[in-house]
Amino acid sequence: EDQVTQSPEALRLQEGESSSLNCSYTVSGLRGLFWYRQDPGKGPEFLFTLYSAGEEKEKERLKATLTKKESFLHITAPKPEDSATYLCAVQPFSGNTPLVFGKGTRLSVIA
Amino acid sequence: GAVVSQHPSWVICKSGTSVKIECRSLDFQATTMFWYRQFPKQSLMLMATSNEGSKATYEQGVEKDKFLINHASLTLSTLTVTSAHPEDSSFYICSARQTIDYEQYFGPGTRLTVT
Repeated sequence: EDQVTQSPEALRLQEGESSSLNCSYTVSGLRGLFWYRQDPGKGPEFLFTLYSAGEEKEKERLKATLTKKESFLHITAPKPEDSATYLCAVQPFSGNTPLVFGKGTRLSVIA
Repeated sequence: GAVVSQHPSWVICKSGTSVKIECRSLDFQATTMFWYRQFPKQSLMLMATSNEGSKATYEQGVEKDKFLINHASLTLSTLTVTSAHPEDSSFYICSARQTIDYEQYFGPGTRLTVT
């Protein structure tokens, strides 16, 4: 069964304190791994897609990496506006299947 | 990035009435769209997968006669909550998947309150 586990569930950082969020996955065949950001009362905002092990993508203070078993979302020198829930999801290769989501990491960045 | 819109962003209706929510992919064609609901501080819960021109596939426990989904074109899917009850009050979010790279984009969500 395809599965995604995110850790930690919640993370509290001081402004400027860099850290990483983890997304471990098991999937029969990986078409792509996705990272989203969700603010309260809003739909998830697309951040990155990673397709193969070794791939890295960056956007402002965020950097996503991918191995065969997990992905990391590195946050460098976070600011309070980075506070949100970060969701990881995998798209299996098999057929027209929906994304398999983790439960998310709630990030709070304190000024 | 690609944009998905939802309308309305919030709606209040009386118990027993029906409500329609529209989901549009604004700058790409989406063969497949998805409908989710989300309760406060909880994860996204997939309700159904809709493919353009065919019947939606509902997740276990989701009443297909209550949540009617229509995906009539490559840019529009609708969710109709029929005979709404207070327990249907929730945050409904749609998403659309690009065929070329499987990237999936979400709408801003619709807050439904049934009184």
